[in-house]
Amino acid sequence: KAGVTQTPRYLIKTRGQQVTLSCSPISGHRSVSWYQQTPGQGLQFLFEYFSETQRNKGNFPGRFSGRQFSNSRSEMNVSTLELGDSALYLCASSLQGENSPLHFGNGTRLTVT
Amino acid sequence: GEDVEQSLFLSVREGDSSVINCTYTDSSSTYLYWYKQEPGAGLQLLTYIFSNMDMKQDQRLTVLLNKKDKHLSLRIADTQTGDSAIYFCAERTGTASKLTFGTGTRLQVTL
Repeated sequence: KAGVTQTPRYLIKTRGQQVTLSCSPISGHRSVSWYQQTPGQGLQFLFEYFSETQRNKGNFPGRFSGRQFSNSRSEMNVSTLELGDSALYLCASSLQGENSPLHFGNGTRLTVT
Repeated sequence: GEDVEQSLFLSVREGDSSVINCTYTDSSSTYLYWYKQEPGAGLQLLTYIFSNMDMKQDQRLTVLLNKKDKHLSLRIADTQTGDSAIYFCAERTGTASKLTFGTGTRLQVTL
């Protein structure tokens, strides 16, 4: 079974631009969540989607948004990029239920210049 | 509130056992996880334990949970150079997929 796939692997953007990251979950997994990893703040939860609905949201500004499609694939968008948005963005998928562990992709490395 | 703490660095000799420790504050945690991250990669799920268990063993990995002290540990037996990585513990509360991660422990395995 294929794992969580994130595209692209690397992105370089300029301040003020916007960016869209994509995540394909493991087949059969309907929950997709996103995390930001930076050296200073560590791993922080962005949001979770289940059945095309945002189920939970972390403490990030409204510039960070996401959506989920009917096939469970998810995208996250960051608008008006800031230098501080440079990070590794990780997507995780799981089956429904608290006893279903999260499986992570290899991430998208975003650099904002 | 939720807070997870880990020591930053651990160095062990190849063949020895490694013990990575983690403390958490949220007593309503349901599951606790251990993830491994190698350079340039995402998070690899190693193992996880339900909060009403004391111990879980999976090949070279042993997880111990002291719920009273909110202390979690990961023991890696016969540590190999391929085990060199950053190890994160994480807690989950409720059914949501929101995990609170520790700062990560960098494990260095020396010959």
